[in-house]
Amino acid sequence: SQQGEEDPQALSIQEGENATMNCSYKTSINNLQWYRQNSGRGLVHLILIRSNEREKHSGRLRVTLDTSKKSSSLLITASRAADTASYFCATDSSYSGAGSYQLTFGKGTKLSVIP
Amino acid sequence: DVKVTQSSRYLVKRTGEKVFLECVQDMDHENMFWYRQDPGLGLRLIYFSYDVKMKEKGDIPEGYSVSREKKERFSLILESASTNQTSMYLCASSFLATAAEATDTQYFGPGTRLTVL
Repeated sequence: SQQGEEDPQALSIQEGENATMNCSYKTSINNLQWYRQNSGRGLVHLILIRSNEREKHSGRLRVTLDTSKKSSSLLITASRAADTASYFCATDSSYSGAGSYQLTFGKGTKLSVIP
Repeated sequence: DVKVTQSSRYLVKRTGEKVFLECVQDMDHENMFWYRQDPGLGLRLIYFSYDVKMKEKGDIPEGYSVSREKKERFSLILESASTNQTSMYLCASSFLATAAEATDTQYFGPGTRLTVL
């Protein structure tokens, strides 16, 4: 079942511009995470924001979370060609009782940064 | 740094063959996961495991099985490969989280692109 949905599906910007990606989800969450995937590679964790947080920064990344709207946004400032990748949001959709949460990933936003 | 490795980056098999995909992590993580990734469908969870010899079905377990005999190794098995199992397979691992303090960041391997002819 798909929990997070990213928007837009694809985004093309010039180097130096800011890139904003959005994620909407359906059920209540404990955390929301953003991951990055370079073409043909595995996913890499970027940032985690908890449900009681509204904003979080990490380097050029800024994540916001609005639990009332069930949405999050990822902002990459001063983008670089090396930021070209797909970006996924992931929500913890269920607690197994055995000590872990499953993550449900969205379909991703494909970002292209043109030099 | 956490390292998750997968046995092959690219694999080509024939319909009906038994296929083993291996995943090894070196951070003593309790949890391990297998996903498949297809264009337009995103990542879908196949199976996961919270402990040795323990497994749980994910969203799309049909046609797959798993094995976790050692904590660091989680294998995905395609009993009889079919063309619709052509996909990118991603393994991930994470620490055991508590309900009160979920820090369930997952660490991914590089992926295995499987083609079934």
